[in-house]
Amino acid sequence: AQKVTQAQTEISVVEKEDVTLDCVYETRDTTYYLFWYKQPPSGELVFLIRRNSFDEQNEISGRYSWNFQKSTSSFNFTITASQVVDSAVYFCALSTGGYNKLIFGAGTRLAVHP
Amino acid sequence: DTAVSQTPKYLVTQMGNDKSIKCEQNLGHDTMYWYKQDSKKFLKIMFSYNNKELIINETVPNRFSPKSPDKAHLNLHINSLELGDSAVYFCASSPTGVYNEQFFGPGTRLTVL
Repeated sequence: AQKVTQAQTEISVVEKEDVTLDCVYETRDTTYYLFWYKQPPSGELVFLIRRNSFDEQNEISGRYSWNFQKSTSSFNFTITASQVVDSAVYFCALSTGGYNKLIFGAGTRLAVHP
Repeated sequence: DTAVSQTPKYLVTQMGNDKSIKCEQNLGHDTMYWYKQDSKKFLKIMFSYNNKELIINETVPNRFSPKSPDKAHLNLHINSLELGDSAVYFCASSPTGVYNEQFFGPGTRLTVL
């Protein structure tokens, strides 16, 4: 069975702090993709990153970075020097092929305070 | 230049009514999806169409019926609405093929009274 677990329900930080959002996944497939989406208070879902199971290189995009570790089935997301605009619900998702069905975690609500 | 659009954005209706939500994408994608986000923000796929053909049909009550008149449109019709149908419904699209990024619409907040 495929499953995505985001154990942190809510995180609260003060602006400029670094914060890491955890994502642990379960799948028996050897080929799969992992995604992160952001849902700001306005409600839309914004794609952040896609990573395939064969590429364990960390990725950095501005203040965002992702750490993929197959050994621990984790795909964690770090925001460096957080800003109020980073306040949102962040979803980790898994796709194991077939018909590109996304299996979402429960989401982590991040609140960044000034 | 909205990529994936949904109408209406808000829908308030009485129990027992029938309602539809429309979705259109101008990205040229072949695959479209409907997701449901419940009050706890949990997102779950409901349906997916590829080139007007139903390819994913999760465990969804028969009262929900998707319809794809062409590959740019995927509508969701709900019969005999129940209180538990209250949620935000998201439409999404992606290019054909596995593992592709899905582009989401703005969502339709359905409230059943």
